Amino acid sequence: LAKTTQPISMDSYEGQEVNITCSHNNIATNDYITWYQQFPSQGPRFIIQGYKTKVTNEVASLFIPADRKSSTLSLPRVSLSDTAVYYCLVGDTPSNTGKLIFGQGTTLQVKP
Amino acid sequence: EAGVTQFPSHSVIEKGQTVTLRCDPISGHDNLYWYRRVMGKEIKFLLHFVKESKQDESGMPNNRFLAERTGGTYSTLKVQPAELEDSGVYFCASSTPIAVSGANVLTFGAGSRLTVL
Repeated sequence: LAKTTQPISMDSYEGQEVNITCSHNNIATNDYITWYQQFPSQGPRFIIQGYKTKVTNEVASLFIPADRKSSTLSLPRVSLSDTAVYYCLVGDTPSNTGKLIFGQGTTLQVKP
Repeated sequence: EAGVTQFPSHSVIEKGQTVTLRCDPISGHDNLYWYRRVMGKEIKFLLHFVKESKQDESGMPNNRFLAERTGGTYSTLKVQPAELEDSGVYFCASSTPIAVSGANVLTFGAGSRLTVL
């Protein structure tokens, strides 16, 4: 599984757009990019997944450039409740078995 | 639908004692996983069940840890005897059969915090 690198922490203010970039230089052809969110005292929660270009859901957008060596999670108009740790993971399909490799994640602190 | 349920939420035991953690996955999820985060470290994979069979237990730290999933429903993770370094949060996750396209998406429980004194 490809290793990922992301900032340890980020600060933002309510109402701002937050972009968290993840580097995955060794991403393989079959790898998908998945982001999880974790609140204190909870388990990680799936946010979004993509393979290339742009993916958008009700929570976030995921931008993946053509070379796929990085990806950016975009959270529109964050609120205090978006304070959490965000993990970028890269895994392959169809051989992906759910054996996820978590890094340190990015701790996002949203301030009023 | 009900999520992944873990019990207990917090357990405090003394070194040398035994603890059993339980996980109830989402109904119909054949895949069940155990992960853990020990103090200051990253979340690490422990093992993976497909129904009642252990698919991958490469992350189990040593033979003091025993995971079971009888009948392919709930799972237990027993630590016997517990050591200080076993303290941490143990997460259970489940998923549907491996995705044909897209990477597998896991639903995690809230975790069981284990404190070994």
